[in-house]
Amino acid sequence: DTAVSQTPKYLVTQMGNDKSIKCEQNLGHDTMYWYKQDSKKFLKIMFSYNNKELIINETVPNRFSPKSPDKAHLNLHINSLELGDSAVYFCASSPQLLTDTQYFGPGTRLTVL
Amino acid sequence: AQTVTQSQPEMSVQEAETVTLSCTYDTSENNYYLFWYKQPPSRQMILVIRQEAYKQQNATENRFSVNFQKAAKSFSLKISDSQLGDTAMYFCACYQGGSEKLVFGKGTKLTVNP
Repeated sequence: DTAVSQTPKYLVTQMGNDKSIKCEQNLGHDTMYWYKQDSKKFLKIMFSYNNKELIINETVPNRFSPKSPDKAHLNLHINSLELGDSAVYFCASSPQLLTDTQYFGPGTRLTVL
Repeated sequence: AQTVTQSQPEMSVQEAETVTLSCTYDTSENNYYLFWYKQPPSRQMILVIRQEAYKQQNATENRFSVNFQKAAKSFSLKISDSQLGDTAMYFCACYQGGSEKLVFGKGTKLTVNP
């Protein structure tokens, strides 16, 4: 019944490693997003995918790459992890790009040691 | 530049009372949308209410309503009959339709006391 799911919920890793966070939505939405929430709870949009096309790519390091195998999935790959990447990452989806209700996943807490 | 400001980092209210969370924004576009999101301790983000800038009528969702003052660029959230389950971080956000940019405020931590 979960609308937007993310795995894993917690991710602890060493600096320099490569990791992925998976996101799946069963709402039939056309658009999916990745947000980063820093230690001060500030939310920043990272990516948006609409029908497998990158729509928004905010100024995030190119170590971060979204991968969408199909409309229901948007995975986040992070290469060469850095301490500053520690944050909570939220996946979200909506019927249309940004102007509609967004449904958020539960978040993935990434800790880089 | 597009900005969203929430001037109250923390607020508290007694159960069953009414509380208002402030939000001001700045945008150069006429086509924009405003949102309030709730993030409870479980961290799941929940859309509370949404307002289209071209609509003059204030949006209402059950106990949640907004006071949208377009000229003043103000978008406050009123929670009536506060419940313990309303305890959460609340984020105000503004989406610009033309530039396709979404900006969030820094959030207000609301605590509902029994």
